[in-house]
Amino acid sequence: DAGITQSPRHKVTETGTPVTLRCHQTENHRYMYWYRQDPGHGLRLIHYSYGVKDTDKGEVSDGYSVSRSKTEDFLLTLESATSSQTSVYFCAISASGDSNQPQHFGDGTRLSIL
Amino acid sequence: SQKIEQNSEALNIQEGKTATLTCNYTNYSPAYLQWYRQDPGRGPVFLLLIRENEKEKRKERLKVTFDTTLKQSLFHITASQPADSATYLCALDPNTGFQKLVFGTGTRLLVSP
Repeated sequence: DAGITQSPRHKVTETGTPVTLRCHQTENHRYMYWYRQDPGHGLRLIHYSYGVKDTDKGEVSDGYSVSRSKTEDFLLTLESATSSQTSVYFCAISASGDSNQPQHFGDGTRLSIL
Repeated sequence: SQKIEQNSEALNIQEGKTATLTCNYTNYSPAYLQWYRQDPGRGPVFLLLIRENEKEKRKERLKVTFDTTLKQSLFHITASQPADSATYLCALDPNTGFQKLVFGTGTRLLVSP
């Protein structure tokens, strides 16, 4: 299994509070991704990174920010959490970012915003 | 609009039979299509990738087809086993760079003994 660790695995917090989710990889892969997964929707891309300090928005980026100060860590921050951000969040990594490569996923963080 | 669709209803089959899952897409022209397996409480796990110029790809009991005319991929599991019970996701790269995959909602497969 690819070395991807997401933390925390579960979190419950209140509306309006800041939340940071962490993705840590030991594969030295250049590309990292944050997705959210909700019933009735496929995995949807929030933000991605193509190198240290290089990040960009995905399909559903509103209300989220990211940072990547080291190759191994990709942080997702909800500046002021809302109930609509209750979801399961997955981090993924890819060696090259090419279409012919698989992505490898962590086991997710289940986030509940009350 | 662009869409990627999988049957949202669960597929129930008997052990030993062949399971066939469908992935249809609209207004994309992917060069590659991928299939993943997801177990409850776990992240997706990559299974197979097929290129647009490949009609069929096999890996052990798994077979994937890719018809760019029909804009459809079929995923087959032969001699299915209860351990194959999971949700199966298809994903495509819309060729916008950086491998920003678009996923279907997944189809849940239940294999009964």
